[in-house]
Amino acid sequence: GENVEQHPSTLSVQEGDSAVIKCTYSDSASNYFPWYKQELGKRPQLIIDIRSNVGEKKDQRIAVTLNKTAKHFSLHITETQPEDSAVYFCAAWEMDTGRRALTFGSGTRLQVQP
Amino acid sequence: KAGVTQTPRYLIKTRGQQVTLSCSPISGHRSVSWYQQTPGQGLQFLFEYFSETQRNKGNFPGRFSGRQFSNSRSEMNVSTLELGDSALYLCASSLKAGGGNEQFFGPGTRLTVL
Repeated sequence: GENVEQHPSTLSVQEGDSAVIKCTYSDSASNYFPWYKQELGKRPQLIIDIRSNVGEKKDQRIAVTLNKTAKHFSLHITETQPEDSAVYFCAAWEMDTGRRALTFGSGTRLQVQP
Repeated sequence: KAGVTQTPRYLIKTRGQQVTLSCSPISGHRSVSWYQQTPGQGLQFLFEYFSETQRNKGNFPGRFSGRQFSNSRSEMNVSTLELGDSALYLCASSLKAGGGNEQFFGPGTRLTVL
């Protein structure tokens, strides 16, 4: 089945700096890659997603890049703010025959220091 | 539009008991997926229901089961509870089944098994 690896597990940046979180996936047939933000005690919320027919997508301070050949995708947050502090999860939609599921990475705890 | 709701929010059970969790999707959403979230294993897919049929299933034992009703509400049942079943159980709804559809998460049910 699909395996998603996420790095780093923790990331501390100064307010205003950029943050980058990287994920790799194993199933070359995966075609949908969402990113979720989960604040402490709250539900995961989708912040951005990308499909396999696109290499990059941007939404204000957040961008995601996808390299299908290398099977990795990354989340970029620019001009970080304290409210960006949360756990971020990447995920990949597995299209393997007989089992279709969203497989999550292990999460990255981002701390933005004011 | 009301979001995804889950009941109960907190539950304490003892080993060997069974438990039923409920999830009401966003109005109009027909797909409901269930996830288990633990500090050690992260977010893991349990199963997905669409139009009252289980479409996909993760790698969990048969003690974990679910169903979906004609109004798209879904229930998850765990029988013969074990200590390791203590977790946050999240459900997520989407308009359609399958990959590429944005999933909206509920607040979760925190299950503690003593």
